[in-house]
Amino acid sequence: ETGVTQSPTHLIKTRGQQVTLRCSSQSGHNTVSWYQQALGQGPQFIFQYYREEENGRGNFPPRFSGLQFPNYSSELNVNALELDDSALYLCASSFDRRTTEAFFGQGTRLTVV
Amino acid sequence: KQEVTQIPAALSVPEGENLVLNCSFTDSAIYNLQWFRQDPGKGLTSLLLIQSSQREQTSGRLNASLDKSSGRSTLYIAASQPGDSATYLCATGAGANNLFFGTGTRLTVIP
Repeated sequence: ETGVTQSPTHLIKTRGQQVTLRCSSQSGHNTVSWYQQALGQGPQFIFQYYREEENGRGNFPPRFSGLQFPNYSSELNVNALELDDSALYLCASSFDRRTTEAFFGQGTRLTVV
Repeated sequence: KQEVTQIPAALSVPEGENLVLNCSFTDSAIYNLQWFRQDPGKGLTSLLLIQSSQREQTSGRLNASLDKSSGRSTLYIAASQPGDSATYLCATGAGANNLFFGTGTRLTVIP
């Protein structure tokens, strides 16, 4: 059974550019969520996808968007990057939307310069 | 909105000591509470999940308790080891959906 994997591990982008981060969920999991973790803070919920549809969204602007594919892998897209978008982006998957354990990937460190 | 607080923010203990990490939350209507470990610059490793109907969970040297009525959870680590040094995060929520995290307790175990 493979765990949650994210790519790339590190990324440097220029302000105003666009970025795509990728996540492969754990085998058998149909729910994936994305989180942003600023330095010294706890992760903040961005959004969740369940069976290819957005199923909840945190307090993030529309320039943060996502996709989930039929194999339950997922992408996080961020447009018009700002310096404050620099953070560790974490993907989490779970067996269902509610009561089961969440498993996280190793994260993608995004630096916006 | 759920607010999660972890005290202390940092803790340093000698190897072998038993210790308790605290987590409090403002909204008791939770589905579950999960404890994670995070090493510097890395992702989160799930340690224990307590369902809302449960009072505690144990895994090896770790024991987590949940008291929904008081909005508190504790993580007990027995016989601490240098390899336990990490940041410990608690989170409430439902599956992976909209977990609310505390800011964590940074633990250092001194050999």
